[in-house]
Amino acid sequence: SAVISQKPSRDICQRGTSLTIQCQVDSQVTMMFWYRQQPGQSLTLIATANQGSEATYESGFVIDKFPISRPNLTFSTLTVSNMSPEDSSIYLCSVEGDGGAKTQYFGPGTRLLVL
Amino acid sequence: QKEVEQNSGPLSVPEGAIASLNCTYSDRGSQSFFWYRQYSGKSPELIMSIYSNGDKEDGRFTAQLNKASQYVSLLIRDSQPSDSATYLCASVLSGGYNKLIFGAGTRLAVHP
Repeated sequence: SAVISQKPSRDICQRGTSLTIQCQVDSQVTMMFWYRQQPGQSLTLIATANQGSEATYESGFVIDKFPISRPNLTFSTLTVSNMSPEDSSIYLCSVEGDGGAKTQYFGPGTRLLVL
Repeated sequence: QKEVEQNSGPLSVPEGAIASLNCTYSDRGSQSFFWYRQYSGKSPELIMSIYSNGDKEDGRFTAQLNKASQYVSLLIRDSQPSDSATYLCASVLSGGYNKLIFGAGTRLAVHP
């Protein structure tokens, strides 16, 4: 499976500021995904990012709040804009791998605390 | 709204026993199912995938799928304390999407 890294691994931010999270993969992948995992809860898909096209956002998530870039087949960024304490969460990127139909592999995650 | 349901647990089993984790899904068109293990403070790690009715074995893990009953399970034989984690069941949304729908996860505790 692909090796996925995320930066930063964790951060503490003030409300009203923005944070950009980077996701780097060691091989070219078509599909990249961004998830949020709030404390004690399961994973919620924020958006799907394909290279060369606009990200597709899930219900409840909008581009103004979570702008995503996908400049090439190995890299993506997610920005959490105008943060509030409710944005405190783990943000995970994943990629579709070669383990079978729609198999996804996850990066290590970014732990965000908004004060 | 397509859903994946899991008992949140905790499921407590003694070391060496079989742990049985269960999952039901509402999307009758789903064809692909996954079990992820997530240790506290870590990201989900894929442990099993299953696409056909029946059993699929990999080491101490056996995934079972019954599409008629819309039921997926994971058996862990000879459970070890290192198996203590949250286990997430996921299905691929039908209709040509590339989306995974996750259950809330079942917390497994294996005690010595």
